[in-house]
Amino acid sequence: EAQVTQNPRYLITVTGKKLTVTCSQNMNHEYMSWYRQDPGLGLRQIYYSMNVEVTDKGDVPEGYKVSRKEKRNFPLILESPSPNQTSLYFCASSFAGGPDTFYGYTFGSGTRLTVV
Amino acid sequence: KNQVEQSPQSLIILEGKNCTLQCNYTVSPFSNLRWYKQDTGRGPVSLTIMTFSENTKSNGRYTATLDADTKQSSLHITASQLSDSASYICVVRGRNTDKLIFGTGTRLQVFP
Repeated sequence: EAQVTQNPRYLITVTGKKLTVTCSQNMNHEYMSWYRQDPGLGLRQIYYSMNVEVTDKGDVPEGYKVSRKEKRNFPLILESPSPNQTSLYFCASSFAGGPDTFYGYTFGSGTRLTVV
Repeated sequence: KNQVEQSPQSLIILEGKNCTLQCNYTVSPFSNLRWYKQDTGRGPVSLTIMTFSENTKSNGRYTATLDADTKQSSLHITASQLSDSASYICVVRGRNTDKLIFGTGTRLQVFP
């Protein structure tokens, strides 16, 4: 089944403890992206990658890192999490043309992160 | 100010009824507009995409309309089903940019 897999689904951590949220897609998509979703706000892009070893900042990149060493994987790293990073995170992928292609994004099921 | 405004914020209807969700945007110049459906606890799934020149597009019981002059789109759901309970998100892309602007969504609940 074509899908984007995120892990973990739920995570509670303490301030300052480094964590990684993994994202993997099996559709051979070139374009991958991370979003956060907060109440009352639309999805906001954190980082995106147009291909292997190519990453760029989205609208809210502060406090996050990403890497794209392989086409299928795009992990999100929080080096020193803070409570304002408590949110619902989505990884998404799409064909080379980006999310404007006919099928748009394929989203993962989300990771609910709580930082205390 | 959010460039994509959706209304209503939430909506409750009875199974079998029709409903219409609204999306107003200020993004200009405009390239395309997409509607996503997001089930609780899941990621959004694309329903339909509309470009500048398209007025209406259907996907089963979902029909999207677009008026590029007034910068308004609507998503009409016919003969609603319990499985239509979800959030519906409008996403707009401007021309000459890679940025997508997401609305905050309309939460629809369908009761039997």
